Amino acid sequence: DQQVKQNSPSLSVQEGRISILNCDYTNSMFDYFLWYKKYPAEGPTFLISISSIKDKNEDGRFTVFLNKSAKHLSLHIVPSQPGDSAVYFCAASGKGAQKLVFGQGTRLTINP
Amino acid sequence: ETGVTQTPRHLVMGMTNKKSLKCEQHLGHNAMYWYKQSAKKPLELMFVYSLEERVENNSVPSRFSPECPNSSHLFLHLHTLQPEDSALYLCASSQETQGPGANVLTFGAGSRLTVL
Repeated sequence: DQQVKQNSPSLSVQEGRISILNCDYTNSMFDYFLWYKKYPAEGPTFLISISSIKDKNEDGRFTVFLNKSAKHLSLHIVPSQPGDSAVYFCAASGKGAQKLVFGQGTRLTINP
Repeated sequence: ETGVTQTPRHLVMGMTNKKSLKCEQHLGHNAMYWYKQSAKKPLELMFVYSLEERVENNSVPSRFSPECPNSSHLFLHLHTLQPEDSALYLCASSQETQGPGANVLTFGAGSRLTVL
């Protein structure tokens, strides 16, 4: 029973275009959401987060959108660059809980 | 060294062996974590140590035994593992022990374990 789902195992985008990675969750108690990025042979690194009191958070080329009614969040990368090629993990946590629940990841490939 | 360092990076062991994974963080963080990543599965939290005390054991079999001797070091002792325990084991740390900041983790590169 997966509480955080990333239904696209992979995504291929042309350099310069927008990359949109999607994530769905089932637990309505989740109130904090994060995206992590992972390069091969490295650990995941924190990218961007959003609290449930917001619907958008932007950091440079990266924007995370949260739709609480749909229990859906997305990560937009614009413009996409070759260095963005990595596996992206969506994660969520609930009030007071230290347990971070991860999705399976989406492999993003940026083509020149 | 900076960040979170894990050793060994690769480990092959038989089912009757005893081995240990080591993690060291040089960030002055207050919480440390063990995660397991199996093929085509999400990262699964195994153990959480907050200020050197274990605060969560996520229903992990006793053949995995964590140890946190101080705030900078975390071990995962392995004993009589099964082939299905083969996975990438990731160590992480966080500055905060509670609240949203506790979710901002710094991960090590992982230890790839193969159980024969």
